[in-house]
Amino acid sequence: DAGITQSPRHKVTETGTPVTLRCHQTENHRYMYWYRQDPGHGLRLIHYSYGVKDTDKGEVSDGYSVSRSKTEDFLLTLESATSSQTSVYFCAIGAGPSGLNTGELFFGEGSRLTVL
Amino acid sequence: AQSVTQLDSQVPVFEEAPVELRCNYSSSVSVYLFWYVQYPNQGLQLLLKYLSGSTLVKGINGFEAEFNKSQTSFHLRKPSVHISDTAEYFCAVSVPFTDKLIFGTGTRLQVFP
Repeated sequence: DAGITQSPRHKVTETGTPVTLRCHQTENHRYMYWYRQDPGHGLRLIHYSYGVKDTDKGEVSDGYSVSRSKTEDFLLTLESATSSQTSVYFCAIGAGPSGLNTGELFFGEGSRLTVL
Repeated sequence: AQSVTQLDSQVPVFEEAPVELRCNYSSSVSVYLFWYVQYPNQGLQLLLKYLSGSTLVKGINGFEAEFNKSQTSFHLRKPSVHISDTAEYFCAVSVPFTDKLIFGTGTRLQVFP
């Protein structure tokens, strides 16, 4: 199994508070992704990173920011959490779009966030 | 842009019956196609993938999928399901040499004894 650890696995917070989710990998993969999973929507990409300090937005990036200061860590921050951000958040890693890479991703076990 | 449509949100089936989970995609360029499975309270794991070559792809746990370019489909099949196959299944597409994977909305397979 790919070495991906998400923390915390569960968190309950209140509207307006900041929240940071952490993704840690031991695979030295260049690409890291944050998805959110909601019923009826499948997985939607929030942000991704293609290297240290290199990040880009996904389809649902509003209200979220990310940082990647080390290859192994990718942080997702909700500056001021809202109830619409209640979701399950998944981190994924991939080797990137090289000639031999297929786009296959490896996923963490998810972080369940509840915003009251 | 690419998109993926999973036509069934839920598929109930009895144990040992065959099952087909449907997936259609839209793309103006060649794509790679994937099926991922998510067991309860877990992350996603790769079931199988189509990159090129034979249109019939075999994956783990007895699943297979067939790529049909003319119908832009990549349906997942299993001839005889088990209770343990109860999970959510996601179809996904990527464009070679790009860095994003686009997912469908998922199909929940419920296997009954």
